[in-house]
Amino acid sequence: EPEVTQTPSHQVTQMGQEVILRCVPISNHLYFYWYRQILGQKVEFLVSFYNNEISEKSEIFDDQFSVERPDGSNFTLKIRSTKLEDSAMYFCASSVIDRGDGYTFGSGTRLTVV
Amino acid sequence: SQQGEEDPQALSIQEGENATMNCSYKTSINNLQWYRQNSGRGLVHLILIRSNEREKHSGRLRVTLDTSKKSSSLLITASRAADTASYFCATGQTGANNLFFGTGTRLTVIP
Repeated sequence: EPEVTQTPSHQVTQMGQEVILRCVPISNHLYFYWYRQILGQKVEFLVSFYNNEISEKSEIFDDQFSVERPDGSNFTLKIRSTKLEDSAMYFCASSVIDRGDGYTFGSGTRLTVV
Repeated sequence: SQQGEEDPQALSIQEGENATMNCSYKTSINNLQWYRQNSGRGLVHLILIRSNEREKHSGRLRVTLDTSKKSSSLLITASRAADTASYFCATGQTGANNLFFGTGTRLTVIP
């Protein structure tokens, strides 16, 4: 069964450093997403991406965050200057269509900011 | 908030018993999905029910949806220790691409 692949599975970074989280969505999917889950809390939407541009973003997704689809397969989330409160599990997802249907989530990247 | 709320927050049952988890939401939806998450791990999609459906089955899972009450339930029958996990409902809402997750129910199945 097709999978969404995320790398790395765990990343530790110093506060203030830039991090890039990587995702390979399912090849025929058109919509891409990032979500995050702070430990013990609910999963929160960050951003959705379609046709090479951001289609929706939440208030969490401020200027410190950016997304990119640098080639035909990768989808990345960059955090420019990490803060302690950015420590969370970050999930990538993709779907064929919109309206929250047919999602496949990756297994996540655990980001720890120290 | 547009996000759902599950209850109970935690549920502990004996192996073999049935587990029922409930989810309530606030806005109009296209679909409602249930996900499972083992501790610190990824989200596994369990089942999706569309707004025009009332009940759906998948193996030991049964999901109901009552759009008039804006609520859904997930029933796991004949539970196993391996079902121990957190279960989240997530709604696909009208006019939005993203999913809105609930707070989750932590299920513990005691062998």
